[in-house]
Amino acid sequence: EDQVTQSPEALRLQEGESSSLNCSYTVSGLRGLFWYRQDPGKGPEFLFTLYSAGEEKEKERLKATLTKKESFLHITAPKPEDSATYLCAARSGSARQLTFGSGTQLTVLP
Amino acid sequence: NAGVTQTPKFQVLKTGQSMTLQCAQDMNHEYMSWYRQDPGMGLRLIHYSVGAGITDQGEVPNGYNVSRSTTEDFPLRLLSAAPSQTSVYFCASSYSGGETQYFGPGTRLLVL
Repeated sequence: EDQVTQSPEALRLQEGESSSLNCSYTVSGLRGLFWYRQDPGKGPEFLFTLYSAGEEKEKERLKATLTKKESFLHITAPKPEDSATYLCAARSGSARQLTFGSGTQLTVLP
Repeated sequence: NAGVTQTPKFQVLKTGQSMTLQCAQDMNHEYMSWYRQDPGMGLRLIHYSVGAGITDQGEVPNGYNVSRSTTEDFPLRLLSAAPSQTSVYFCASSYSGGETQYFGPGTRLLVL
């Protein structure tokens, strides 16, 4: 059974304090690791897709990386507007659907 | 493009009532899906469709029905609402199931 676990559940940072969010996955034959951002009261918004270990993608203050067992979302010098819940999801080779983690709620204080 | 739209935004039902949550997309995506999101449990797949006339069950299908008569629309029906169905429901679409999924704004459902 595919499993995706995110940690920590919640993270509070001061503005400018860099950190990382973790996404551990157990899937058979990873076919894609997805990161989404979700603001309160809204639907998830796509950020990145990673396909193979060693791959990295960046967008503004966010950088996503992938190993054979984990993905990290690095946040460099965060701003209050980066506050949101960050979700990761994995697709296994045998499935057409995504398995989601429960998310990390990030709060960036000014 | 409007993307993925959902109606209503918020609904209150009494136990035993039925209703339909609407979902539409204008991106000509073949794959559409319904998720529910509950605190601490992430997004769980209810039903999905790989094209018009084709649907299948996800992780938590009990108490819900779907149909897909057109590429654009994918309604979710609650047959007899129960308090356990209180949740936030999201519809999503993509070109294929495993690719980037685009989500609607969600429907908040409260069953009393």
